[in-house]
Amino acid sequence: SQQGEEDPQALSIQEGENATMNCSYKTSINNLQWYRQNSGRGLVHLILIRSNEREKHSGRLRVTLDTSKKSSSLLITASRAADTASYFCAFRGDYKLSFGAGTTVTVRA
Amino acid sequence: EPEVTQTPSHQVTQMGQEVILHCVPISNHLYFYWYRQILGQKVEFLVSFYNNEISEKSEIFDDQFSVERPDGSNFTLKIRSTKLEDSAMYFCASTGDQGYNSPLHFGNGTRLTVT
Repeated sequence: SQQGEEDPQALSIQEGENATMNCSYKTSINNLQWYRQNSGRGLVHLILIRSNEREKHSGRLRVTLDTSKKSSSLLITASRAADTASYFCAFRGDYKLSFGAGTTVTVRA
Repeated sequence: EPEVTQTPSHQVTQMGQEVILHCVPISNHLYFYWYRQILGQKVEFLVSFYNNEISEKSEIFDDQFSVERPDGSNFTLKIRSTKLEDSAMYFCASTGDQGYNSPLHFGNGTRLTVT
């Protein structure tokens, strides 16, 4: 299976703190993407990093990719209560996008 | 901003019945996908569809499942004889190019409950 693993499974932080979550995968990829899911809703794309990139920023988000270790991390800086959601990494090999298990982030006000 | 629309938002059916889940992808998109998410679990790939044919499908997508693009706008997922374990959120997604370096746009899902 090309599905990956994420850790931690759950994360609880205080507003203003940073949140870091990690993703690992098993096979070669074209790119890795991060998605956010609010409870009961669809997935929303956050950021895409290509296999030849090592780091990417978008607003308060910072993503790293280490293809030698087959791993990626997502950092959310200065978290807000509205960042409370589940975050999924997803990696594209051929046609399909395969998702990790997700990290549930709770930001306490 | 254009979005993917799924209907119904919630479908309740009895075991053994057929269900059809409806999706309207973003109008100029060419690649279409169905994913499912059992409550609290992973998002699982079911099938991808391009140029009126399936381009890839997972082991979950067995003979009970089928997809169709009956006209220029709709993309449907049919489950012929539902089982209890088909209860899940089903998400439709689309993307405009081959998808390698483009994100998927997801609908808000259909919650399927099989009783």
